[in-house]
Amino acid sequence: GAGVSQSPRYKVTKRGQDVALRCDPISGHVSLYWYRQALGQGPEFLTYFNYEAQQDKSGLPNDRFSAERPEGSISTLTIQRTEQRDSAMYRCASSLELGGPDTFGSGTRLTVV
Amino acid sequence: AQSVTQLGSHVSVSEGALVLLRCNYSSSVPPYLFWYVQYPNQGLQLLLKYTSAATLVKGINGFEAEFKKSETSFHLTKPSAHMSDAAEYFCAVRGNQGGKLIFGQGTELSVKP
Repeated sequence: GAGVSQSPRYKVTKRGQDVALRCDPISGHVSLYWYRQALGQGPEFLTYFNYEAQQDKSGLPNDRFSAERPEGSISTLTIQRTEQRDSAMYRCASSLELGGPDTFGSGTRLTVV
Repeated sequence: AQSVTQLGSHVSVSEGALVLLRCNYSSSVPPYLFWYVQYPNQGLQLLLKYTSAATLVKGINGFEAEFKKSETSFHLTKPSAHMSDAAEYFCAVRGNQGGKLIFGQGTELSVKP
């Protein structure tokens, strides 16, 4: 597609439920990144992939968070047993080559109630 | 370890005045540096990037930034502010081997008529 597409745009879930956030990067982009952004803060790195290989997952807060990119294109970020502190904007970005620049999606606003 | 510090969480200028947003970085390797802009309820848009080709980098919308290694700075400037420049601006650093972007806390720019 023309840009990075994220879905859903908004997600409200009850505490304890699992959620899956989807990112569809720009076609042909090698690298895909997940970030989390709290209100009034800069994005914080979660994890990233080159093709289908997860290169760095050091930013995932705990083992309730996981991500995959099985065919080197679409990626899913899954949060199990959601907690209120997981509420944030989750942003995906992709880049054509190492070093970027990265193109960001519009994000998924997750609210855990 | 890499880090980014943006001096001033809020900057206010008059329309037509000089815009100066400050960014200092810390990196043990030659970095890639970026400035992104975020308009309300939108994703991050790349303004400009530094990848060692030239120390003065020109971006979109009349913005430019100068890489000063001796000062570890990458300040963003624009000679004359427009009302449409009101947004949040993020400075980010990445190592030259690719990988995650590390963002500053952001600077909110207000433009007064």
